[in-house]
Amino acid sequence: RKEVEQDPGPFNVPEGATVAFNCTYSNSASQSFFWYRQDCRKEPKLLMSVYSSGNEDGRFTAQLNRASQYISLLIRDSKLSDSATYLCVVNDGYALNFGKGTSLLVTP
Amino acid sequence: DAGVTQSPTHLIKTRGQHVTLRCSPISGHKSVSWYQQVLGQGPQFIFQYYEKEERGRGNFPDRFSARQFPNYSSELNVNALLLGDSALYLCASSPGQGAHEQYFGPGTRLTVT
Repeated sequence: RKEVEQDPGPFNVPEGATVAFNCTYSNSASQSFFWYRQDCRKEPKLLMSVYSSGNEDGRFTAQLNRASQYISLLIRDSKLSDSATYLCVVNDGYALNFGKGTSLLVTP
Repeated sequence: DAGVTQSPTHLIKTRGQHVTLRCSPISGHKSVSWYQQVLGQGPQFIFQYYEKEERGRGNFPDRFSARQFPNYSSELNVNALLLGDSALYLCASSPGQGAHEQYFGPGTRLTVT
């Protein structure tokens, strides 16, 4: 079983839509959690850390449920520039464990 | 401030050859990690170095090795290249070891023919 699992999508949504991505992880001892964004043939860029209390950064909201080992990312008012692959990432102490990523395409 | 830098950007090698990839972390960051990303997959952890010592190693064969220098830059070496080593090799830096956010360089795209 893969340590971090995500729905690969693709998610095709119109501009202005709200879209949610989910992710599960297998190691209950995992220490920190992130969402990274990766554009085609580019490096992953940190989008936001994820905290148990939930956190928001503009149009982006991340949630962590440690009991269910579940992480989510909500994007409101989608922009064309949000089109990318979103990687769910779990840090087990030194290594980042990545999901395969969820592909998002925002269309006009 | 400069971000993580990597060289070269692209590289083409033949099976059986050796390759060395280089990385300079963000100024002030003491930890460097290496990842391999093949098409359609998330990055896979190879190594982490902190203060010039290996702190973690992923599930990669002994053909893969790395080191960190006193200025915190790092090299990843791969011997006896296989076709399956073709991938994007990413370097990430963080302030310290452990469960920190990591910041990635642009990567080196290696093609093995």
